[in-house]
Amino acid sequence: AQSVTQPDIHITVSEGASLELRCNYSYGATPYLFWYVQSPGQGLQLLLKYFSGDTLVQGIKGFEAEFKRSQSSFNLRKPSVHWSDAAEYFCAVLNSGGSNYKLTFGKGTLLTVNP
Amino acid sequence: EAQVTQNPRYLITVTGKKLTVTCSQNMNHEYMSWYRQDPGLGLRQIYYSMNVEVTDKGDVPEGYKVSRKEKRNFPLILESPSPNQTSLYFCASSPWTGYEQYFGPGTRLTVT
Repeated sequence: AQSVTQPDIHITVSEGASLELRCNYSYGATPYLFWYVQSPGQGLQLLLKYFSGDTLVQGIKGFEAEFKRSQSSFNLRKPSVHWSDAAEYFCAVLNSGGSNYKLTFGKGTLLTVNP
Repeated sequence: EAQVTQNPRYLITVTGKKLTVTCSQNMNHEYMSWYRQDPGLGLRQIYYSMNVEVTDKGDVPEGYKVSRKEKRNFPLILESPSPNQTSLYFCASSPWTGYEQYFGPGTRLTVT
């Protein structure tokens, strides 16, 4: 069964610093990978997705992620963090086999941004 | 505006009192799904629906029911809620031609 691991439960960075959130997945076939962001009291917003092709994908709000098959990783990056980026971030892999498009989520990484 | 809506957004109820959380999408998506989010456990799928009148269990279906009588609506029914169903619930939808899932704003349910 597929699984997603986000090793960091909580990360604190200073505003303007770079950011990397780690994500490792376990999936037998070619994975469809996603990063979602959840701001306090809000729903889940899709940041970016990887299906195939270029392993470096660009998303909204200046985020990017790199798919590395050899490391089973899909890390999220941003060169300069803004205070408004404080939120919880979820990595997810899609079960694209069969008829259930189930997303398996990691347990999330809470990002705190210091001024 | 393309969106998934859920109602109510917040609900406090008592053990055993039947309730329904509604979910509606205006994107003509075939696939819809319910997830619950709990601290330390992330999001887990409760039920999903591939199309009208076609539903199936996800990972944590116990204590829940769903129905899909119309393409746009996918209500979540708790016939006898218990405190362990206190959670944040999300509805999501997706077209068959793509894999991106769109999430509703969430419903925070407290069962006392």
